[in-house]
Formats: sequence, C-alpha cells, structure tokens
Amino acid sequence: EAGVTQFPSHSVIEKGQTVTLRCDPISGHDNLYWYRRVMGKEIKFLLHFVKESKQDESGMPNNRFLAERTGGTYSTLKVQPAELEDSGVYFCASSPGLAGGYGTGELFFGEGSRLTVL
Amino acid sequence: QKEVEQDPGPLSVPEGAIVSLNCTYSNSAFQYFMWYRQYSRKGPELLMYTYSSGNKEDGRFTAQVDKSSKYISLFIRDSQPSDSATYLCAMSARSGGSNYKLTFGKGTLLTVNP
Repeated sequence: EAGVTQFPSHSVIEKGQTVTLRCDPISGHDNLYWYRRVMGKEIKFLLHFVKESKQDESGMPNNRFLAERTGGTYSTLKVQPAELEDSGVYFCASSPGLAGGYGTGELFFGEGSRLTVL
Repeated sequence: QKEVEQDPGPLSVPEGAIVSLNCTYSNSAFQYFMWYRQYSRKGPELLMYTYSSGNKEDGRFTAQVDKSSKYISLFIRDSQPSDSATYLCAMSARSGGSNYKLTFGKGTLLTVNP
C-alpha cells in the first residue's frame, strides 16, 4: 500500500513568487493534515480536512496560504506571494476514519516538501 | 514558556546502551502522548502512543507518562545503530475531537555508534 506522497520534494523560489505543494494521502483516508517545520522550530499544525471540508484551519499563518482538497482526495497548499519566512518543510499527514483518527492512534506522515524562498 | 520542551541534543551513545529521552510540557489539558521517530529526509513515524498517565512497553521501547509532573519519557533498551534518528515527542488534548492537533517538541537527534 502506498504511503502519503508529497510533491515536489524540494522547491526553490524567489520572494513574491507562487508555489503549490501537493499531497496524496493514503487511499481511503478521510482525514488529511498539513503541518510545517520552520528551521530551528518545532513542527506545527496548519490545518485539517475531513474529506473535502476544512475542519480546522486555525494554524494557517495568514491569507497568503490557501489549502484545498479536491473531491476529498489529494490536497494542495498554495503560498502566494511567498515570503522569506515561509521557508521550511511542509508535511502532509493522513489518517483513516472519523475526525481525529485516534481509533488507531496514528497520523501517517509524508516525507515533506522542502520550500526555500530566496 | 513553550508548551512542550525537549532537549535537542545531539545525543551519542554506544551500541547496546540504554537511551533515555524526555519532554516536559506546560498544558495540563494534554491527554494523548506520542513519540515519533524521524529518519533523515523522511517524515515522522509513530513509535509509541500513550493515553493519560502510565507506562507502555513495545519490544525495546518503553514510554512513560507522569501527568502530575508534566513529564514524559521514552526509554530504548539495547540500542542499535538503526535507532539513530531524531525522536520527537508530541501531545494533544481532546477537545471537541481535535486530538489530531499535535504539539511537537523540537526533537532529539540520537546517534547510536557501532
């Protein structure tokens, strides 16, 4: 079974440009999450989808970030326009079942998309 | 004060040593406690999961939670070079089903030398 896949693995862009990160969750997982790790900081929650609906986007830093999940399958996270402080590793995770996923107690993380803004 | 404090290390031990990793936290609402392992350039993978206080053992790994002290630990017995990774503690509170919102420590980089 394929795990959570993320694309691109690394993106280097200029300040002011736009970048779109993509996440394909494990097939059948209703819950999809975005987390981010800025250099030197902890991994932090950004938002949570249940199927195609945003359940919680309290961690989104500002309105330059837009997340979508088409038809409850893959998700995209767009940063427009990118700023220097957006550099970091963006992790996507998924889990099965109802919101939370703690029936199994596990969020399955992808390998992350590293974003460098110059 | 950060919600979760974790010594980033690095920690270097010889093969076969017992490793102790720890986190402290300040949010008394946390009820779910996890340890994730992250290999270089990979995503975090769940290692241990504990609800509330107590101990949990899985093979060479033991997780302990002391809610009265707001302190959690992960012990690795008979450490192996393959255990070399970053270990992240994570925790969450159950509030309206929002227990997916993990709060992570910074992670401790562990190297087990052959």
